[in-house]
Amino acid sequence: AQRVTQPEKLLSVFKGAPVELKCNYSYSGSPELFWYVQYSRQRLQLLLRHISRESIKGFTADLNKGETSFHLKKPFAQEEDSAMYYCALKRPNKLIFGTGTLLAVQP
Amino acid sequence: DGGITQSPKYLFRKEGQNVTLSCEQNLNHDAMYWYRQDPGQGLRLIYYSQIVNDFQKGDIAEGYSVSREKKESFPLTVTSAQKNPTAFYLCASSTDRVDTGELFFGEGSRLTVL
Repeated sequence: AQRVTQPEKLLSVFKGAPVELKCNYSYSGSPELFWYVQYSRQRLQLLLRHISRESIKGFTADLNKGETSFHLKKPFAQEEDSAMYYCALKRPNKLIFGTGTLLAVQP
Repeated sequence: DGGITQSPKYLFRKEGQNVTLSCEQNLNHDAMYWYRQDPGQGLRLIYYSQIVNDFQKGDIAEGYSVSREKKESFPLTVTSAQKNPTAFYLCASSTDRVDTGELFFGEGSRLTVL
């Protein structure tokens, strides 16, 4: 079955510490993966897409086909990074989302 | 203000009643979606529509119905057949270029069944 797994419901780090939000996927084809973010009182929005190989707000994510992973990383967390993060897999005409990880950055 | 508008933001319903959630977009997007967001379960797809007058069931369509009579509108009806309707509902839209993978979301509607 096509599935996106985010094993951590909550990740708490201190400001300035490195962050890694884990995402694993189950899909036999060539995956297209995305990270979405929802800040407090804001709409869910696209953060980055793996195909662009971009860095947004200091975050990067590398697709590892061998490990079927697409972890989101940032070397130095900021308090404003606190939010809910969702990993998503693109399928025909829709996105499949993971269960989300709440990132809490402590001062 | 461009984007997706969902209404109402909060809705209370008695058991056995149907309720309709509104979703309107002025982005000229062809595709629209309804997701349900529950704690610990992430976003689950209810229905989606790629074009006017056409829609498909998502992963959890039972107890829900939709219509797509206009490009701008994609209302969701939560029927009395939905066993656990209390949830946060998100509407989204995207261009016909599905390769972008970018969905634009509304602010959501929280439905509580009393």
